[in-house]
Amino acid sequence: NAGVMQNPRHLVRRRGQEARLRCSPMKGHSHVYWYRQLPEEGLKFMVYLQKENIIDESGMPKERFSAEFPKEGPSILRIQQVVRGDSAAYFCASSPPSGQGFAQFFGPGTRLTVL
Amino acid sequence: AQSVTQLGSHVSVSEGALVLLRCNYSSSVPPYLFWYVQYPNQGLQLLLKYTSAATLVKGINGFEAEFKKSETSFHLTKPSAHMSDAAEYFCAVSDPGYQKVTFGTGTKLQVIP
Repeated sequence: NAGVMQNPRHLVRRRGQEARLRCSPMKGHSHVYWYRQLPEEGLKFMVYLQKENIIDESGMPKERFSAEFPKEGPSILRIQQVVRGDSAAYFCASSPPSGQGFAQFFGPGTRLTVL
Repeated sequence: AQSVTQLGSHVSVSEGALVLLRCNYSSSVPPYLFWYVQYPNQGLQLLLKYTSAATLVKGINGFEAEFKKSETSFHLTKPSAHMSDAAEYFCAVSDPGYQKVTFGTGTKLQVIP
């Protein structure tokens, strides 16, 4: 059973470009979460999605950031018009639909560098 | 709102010594609690979880944690540190009725030969 997949692992963008980060959850998992990790900081929650629904986006910046989890295909975190402050590691996690004793399983992350 | 506090952003222990990483939580309902480990340039790996069953939870790599409701704590321990334990450790809490997880700021463990 493959784990959570993220691609690309490393992404370099110039200021003003768009960044698209992809996440394929573990098989059987229908919940996806995105986190951002800055150097020397912990994980900051960004958004929680189920298939075709955004459940909680309280951690998403109001502008330039969006996320989706379509019926088919991976979840996408999209950052428009990137700025240097967007440079960070972005982690995706997934969990099964049951609420009993669940845990989130993490992907290896995408390290975004904005030049 | 739930939160976790990890005391000590950096902890150093000698190889073979006891590892103790502290975590205190705040939750309005009986929580689920987790410890994750992160090695450099990797994602987080689940070490162990507490979900209202036994209060002493055993995890991978010889780690364990004890849920103490009276102290609102969930400290992580390992009897004897190994060099391969050097990593960053995150404590996390969630409401059983809601799948959003809140992470602590992490504790970096250094193991000295």
